[in-house]
Amino acid sequence: DIVMTQSPLSLPVTPGEPASISCRSSQTLLYSNGYHFLDWFLQKPGQSPQLLIYLGSSRASGVPDRFSGSGSGTDFTLNISRVEAEDVGVYYCMQAVQTPPTFGQGTKVEIK
Amino acid sequence: EVQLLESGGGLVQPGGSLRLSCAASGFTFSSYVMTWVRQAPGKGLEWVSSITVSGEHSFYAASVRGRFTISRDDSKNTLYLQMSSLRGEDTAVYYCAKPGSGWFARFDWGTGTLVSVSS
Repeated sequence: DIVMTQSPLSLPVTPGEPASISCRSSQTLLYSNGYHFLDWFLQKPGQSPQLLIYLGSSRASGVPDRFSGSGSGTDFTLNISRVEAEDVGVYYCMQAVQTPPTFGQGTKVEIK
Repeated sequence: EVQLLESGGGLVQPGGSLRLSCAASGFTFSSYVMTWVRQAPGKGLEWVSSITVSGEHSFYAASVRGRFTISRDDSKNTLYLQMSSLRGEDTAVYYCAKPGSGWFARFDWGTGTLVSVSS
């Protein structure tokens, strides 16, 4: 199985400041169609996960443009340009290139 | 709009059985691979099982293989997870998930159902 490793696991943030989360995979997430099958989810307290970014860098419908994804191969990053209070929760990366899908450990983002 | 509504969770004793259901709407259920993912209290997300279109193939995490069975009824737009020989470590919220493309990409998630295994 592909192992997904996130860092940091805890991220205290100041509203209005940028934030960044790293996700690394044990194998390339590049599929034969040229896309990287890496998704980012946010799980707000008490809720189900919600899709933020798919294929490494495409924002899901309704996701604010302060969220962006980048990376290639085995190294990916989720950036929040200016953190807002509603962004608190646990962020997960997930690879969808191989069965089974596997998740990072999660990064807990909280307001300082 | 995609809707996934899980049910069937509850408190069960170790060694017991439970069947979870996921009622799907808002998309052509029969056309998609469907997946169960669980989350133990305070822990991260763990893939449990997936079933292909028409139920042709099913896949299981090593931790549940031989104890859980995934199935689908396309006439009822419903996904199932039959769980037996339950253990304390199976305690979790169980989510069903539908991909937006391919088998696993761009998951839509259900609301989840809590399974508690305890004596």
